[in-house]
Amino acid sequence: DAGVTQSPTHLIKTRGQQVTLRCSPKSGHDTVSWYQQALGQGPQFIFQYYEEEERQRGNFPDRFSGHQFPNYSSELNVNALLLGDSALYLCASSLPTDTQYFGPGTRLTVL
Amino acid sequence: QKEVEQNSGPLSVPEGAIASLNCTYSDRGSQSFFWYRQYSGKSPELIMSIYSNGDKEDGRFTAQLNKASQYVSLLIRDSQPSDSATYLCAVNSDSWGKFQFGAGTQVVVTP
Repeated sequence: DAGVTQSPTHLIKTRGQQVTLRCSPKSGHDTVSWYQQALGQGPQFIFQYYEEEERQRGNFPDRFSGHQFPNYSSELNVNALLLGDSALYLCASSLPTDTQYFGPGTRLTVL
Repeated sequence: QKEVEQNSGPLSVPEGAIASLNCTYSDRGSQSFFWYRQYSGKSPELIMSIYSNGDKEDGRFTAQLNKASQYVSLLIRDSQPSDSATYLCAVNSDSWGKFQFGAGTQVVVTP
């Protein structure tokens, strides 16, 4: 039984560029949450997708957007990258309101 | 005031001793609580969840919840060098699975 997968593992971009990160949830899970974790900090909630809709959103600007597909996989898009967007981006899958299981993360570096 | 607070550490624990980690939260309506372990450069992995006041034991780990005092703790018995990691406390404050994380407590188990 495959766990949560994310791609790519690492990514280097320059300021102003756009990036797309991908996540496939654990088998049987239908809810995907995205988090940003800066160095030395706890994960910060970006948003959550359920039934292909954004169900909740944290305090992140509109430059952060997402999508969920019918197979429950999800994408996180970040436009107009800033240096401060450099972080570990984590995807967590779950059933609605249930325990969240994290993928390995994508390390984004913005130069 | 941060919504979930943890001592950042590092908490130095001799091998074989008990490590005690604390977490306080601000939202009195919070219903579910989680402890995750995160090794350096890796993603968080679930240790345990707790929903009711009292203690919950799982192997060498015991979670304790006191909703009246708004704190949750984690005890690690017979600490091993492999327990050296950052421990994240997460609180689900609403019915939609928007987890709030503390900044984490770094634990160092010394042989």
